[in-house]
Amino acid sequence: DAGVTQSPTHLIKTRGQQVTLRCSPKSGHDTVSWYQQALGQGPQFIFQYYEEEERQRGNFPDRFSGHQFPNYSSELNVNALLLGDSALYLCASSDSFGRSPYGYTFGSGTRLTVV
Amino acid sequence: QKEVEQNSGPLSVPEGAIASLNCTYSDRVSQSFFWYRQYSGKSPELIMSIYSNGDKEDGRFTAQLNKASQYVSLLIRDSQPSDSATYLCAVNINFNKFYFGSGTKLNVKP
Repeated sequence: DAGVTQSPTHLIKTRGQQVTLRCSPKSGHDTVSWYQQALGQGPQFIFQYYEEEERQRGNFPDRFSGHQFPNYSSELNVNALLLGDSALYLCASSDSFGRSPYGYTFGSGTRLTVV
Repeated sequence: QKEVEQNSGPLSVPEGAIASLNCTYSDRVSQSFFWYRQYSGKSPELIMSIYSNGDKEDGRFTAQLNKASQYVSLLIRDSQPSDSATYLCAVNINFNKFYFGSGTKLNVKP
């Protein structure tokens, strides 16, 4: 039973560029949430996708956008990268409406460095 | 006020001692609470969940919840050097939108 898989594991981009991160949820999960974790901080909620739509959004600018595909996999896109976007980006999957008693299952994350 | 607050630590305990980690949250309607362990450079790993007031034990770990005081804690008995990590408290606000604290760094000294 595959867990949550994220790609790539590491990425280096230049300011102003655009980046796409990918996530495949755990088998049986249909909801994908994305988090940004800066060094020394807890994960911050970016947005959540369910049924191919953005269901909830945190306090992040429109430069952060996403998509969910029919197979429940998801992408996170960040445009016009800033140095402050450097962080560990975590994908978390769960089943819809909190039926999972175990909370999130996190992927191993994508480490994004903006130079 | 942050939704979830934790003491950043570091909390240092000797091997074999009890480590006590605390967390407070601001949203009274929160229904479910989680503790995650995160090793440096790794993603968070779920270790405990708790939904009802009182204590929940799982091996060396005990989670305690007091909804009236909006307080969650994690006790680690017989602490081991391998328990050295950052412990994140997470609160499920609605529809699996989690708020995380900034984490407490635990150092277990041999």
